[in-house]
Amino acid sequence: EVQLLESGGGLVQPGGSMRLSCATSGFSFSSYAMSWVRQAPGKGLEWVSGIHGRSAVTYYADSVKGRFTISRDNSKNTLDLQMDSLSVEDTGVYYCAKGSAISPIGAYSGDFWGQGTLVTVSS
Amino acid sequence: DIQMTQSPSSLSASVGDRVTITCQASQDISKYVTWFQQKPGKAPRLLIYDASKLETGVPSRFSGSGSGTDFTFTISSLQPEDIATYYCQQYDNLLTFGGGTKVEIK
Repeated sequence: EVQLLESGGGLVQPGGSMRLSCATSGFSFSSYAMSWVRQAPGKGLEWVSGIHGRSAVTYYADSVKGRFTISRDNSKNTLDLQMDSLSVEDTGVYYCAKGSAISPIGAYSGDFWGQGTLVTVSS
Repeated sequence: DIQMTQSPSSLSASVGDRVTITCQASQDISKYVTWFQQKPGKAPRLLIYDASKLETGVPSRFSGSGSGTDFTFTISSLQPEDIATYYCQQYDNLLTFGGGTKVEIK
């Protein structure tokens, strides 16, 4: 059974940093790209970042480029998102999502999702 | 960046009605569209990929069609458990979601 479990959310002040993690099981982790998708309160879904299964090539939405860093540890089957210079606009539920292929390019993401972790940026 | 314009933003229909949602891409994206269902407080659920292929385990009343820039998602006979928000997603160039359609029972 495929499982994804996010952790690391909470309250952080504007300008602060936070690191999210996604622990996975039930599939060959290194064979699939992974993504982070977020959802602001009462709003729609926004893709944040994606990473190749093995090459560690990364991709970012313009809204987080230069502030967020996605990484993965294929030996531990984990996915991380380091978030720096956070602003109130970064508040929301962050989901990790499994890709459908090893590359996030030309392949959909989201055949499996975690339950999400809430990040609140507020003073 | 590719934009996905989804409409309507909300709709109200009766049980048994046919429901149709559309997504228009800002450029040709071939067949690279998925459709998701999201219920309140839950993670999204994949329903359709490659514009028209039904994900395993998804009821056959859900369907998708289209290619190029215009895509359609249909629920052939709305059921009470289909109350949710539906999103399209393009994956021709990275990922972009449509704005969502909230489906309610009349």
